[in-house]
Amino acid sequence: NAGVTQTPKFQVLKTGQSMTLQCAQDMNHNSMYWYRQDPGMGLRLIYYSASEGTTDKGEVPNGYNVSRLNKREFSLRLESAAPSQTSVYFCASSVLNIQYFGAGTRLSVL
Amino acid sequence: RKEVEQDPGPFNVPEGATVAFNCTYSNSASQSFFWYRQDCRKEPKLLMSVYSSGNEDGRFTAQLNRASQYISLLIRDSKLSDSATYLCVGVKTSYDKVIFGPGTSLSVIP
Repeated sequence: NAGVTQTPKFQVLKTGQSMTLQCAQDMNHNSMYWYRQDPGMGLRLIYYSASEGTTDKGEVPNGYNVSRLNKREFSLRLESAAPSQTSVYFCASSVLNIQYFGAGTRLSVL
Repeated sequence: RKEVEQDPGPFNVPEGATVAFNCTYSNSASQSFFWYRQDCRKEPKLLMSVYSSGNEDGRFTAQLNRASQYISLLIRDSKLSDSATYLCVGVKTSYDKVIFGPGTSLSVIP
């Protein structure tokens, strides 16, 4: 029972590089989310998807794009990474307002 | 003002102690509330839902006071394994918006 799987677990980028964070869930949930977590800031919502084919901006969407490829997969793309995007990124899916998180991706942008 | 606020702590308590965390929320549109637990360098996981009538799960008791807009979590007979960060969460069910508090850090000391 994998739940929510995120890849990669760790990544180091140089400023200006691009990358995609992958997320997949096997719980047949409609809603999926991307958060970033920074010290003292708590979890902040980047984007969410209430269902396949729909995406909406959260609190901090600038510098990111998302794709809800199908019901299982929700990817987050950084087109031109900046040091301010150094953070821990969590993907989650939810049912009945309860969120299930992946293990996170630790991203450093130098 | 943040929509969900918590005392960041840290709370340092001896084993066996009773400790209480409070969380205040500023938007009365939040309809559902939860407590999550996050261990160091891990993902958040649901600890318990919070019901208006109050609810208990073993050593943990959660309360919701809608009139005063606060949620509480009481931990009795603290264990070393309770050391973690506790996140208060409000959900605006009408459009599935999830708001995480910044978290309260607990260390249970032998």
